[in-house]
Amino acid sequence: DADVTQTPRNRITKTGKRIMLECSQTKGHDRMYWYRQDPGLGLRLIYYSFDVKDINKGEISDGYSVSRQAQAKFSLSLESAIPNQTALYFCATSAGGLGEAFFGQGTRLTVV
Amino acid sequence: AQSVSQHNHHVILSEAASLELGCNYSYGGTVNLFWYVQYPGQHLQLLLKYFSGDPLVKGIKGFEAEFIKSKFSFNLRKPSVQWSDTAEYFCAVNPYNTDKLIFGTGTRLQVFP
Repeated sequence: DADVTQTPRNRITKTGKRIMLECSQTKGHDRMYWYRQDPGLGLRLIYYSFDVKDINKGEISDGYSVSRQAQAKFSLSLESAIPNQTALYFCATSAGGLGEAFFGQGTRLTVV
Repeated sequence: AQSVSQHNHHVILSEAASLELGCNYSYGGTVNLFWYVQYPGQHLQLLLKYFSGDPLVKGIKGFEAEFIKSKFSFNLRKPSVQWSDTAEYFCAVNPYNTDKLIFGTGTRLQVFP
């Protein structure tokens, strides 16, 4: 079983719909992250969380929200999806202070 | 702003050719450095990392990277590439005592047999 699991793996949704991407981990890490990957732009940080009560915005948080339901679960929501949110989304975890991240398999989201 | 630059966007090589991918960062303090690899259709996996000590670090699959502090660089090398090295490679920087991992834009490597 994967240490970092993302669901769904693929999703097509319509403009204006609300969608949630889920991430769970079994690594016991306290840090969790959401990134989006776009061709030619690399990975950009959306939100990150140090623990259940600590949520921080990344460089591209507009249009997104997150919830850290438990140490092992970190979900990303698009309240009203728009086409330029079409991307590959990755969840990642890390142990505190080391920087090394472990990634999930990714969720390919298409907004039509 | 802190940034990571990968100047090679797309590299095409024949098998057995040598590889060097550039990575430069703009953060002035102490950093931890990483190279990640993303094989087609897969998630990112750690290739190698540098925290401190010997600036020449060796990773998996014959890859190595050299940290040159004066040049703010962490270039990735492999003496002889294989077709199975076809992937996208990302350099990443973790400024010391932060929990941010800042990625470069990636380099797509294609290796032809």
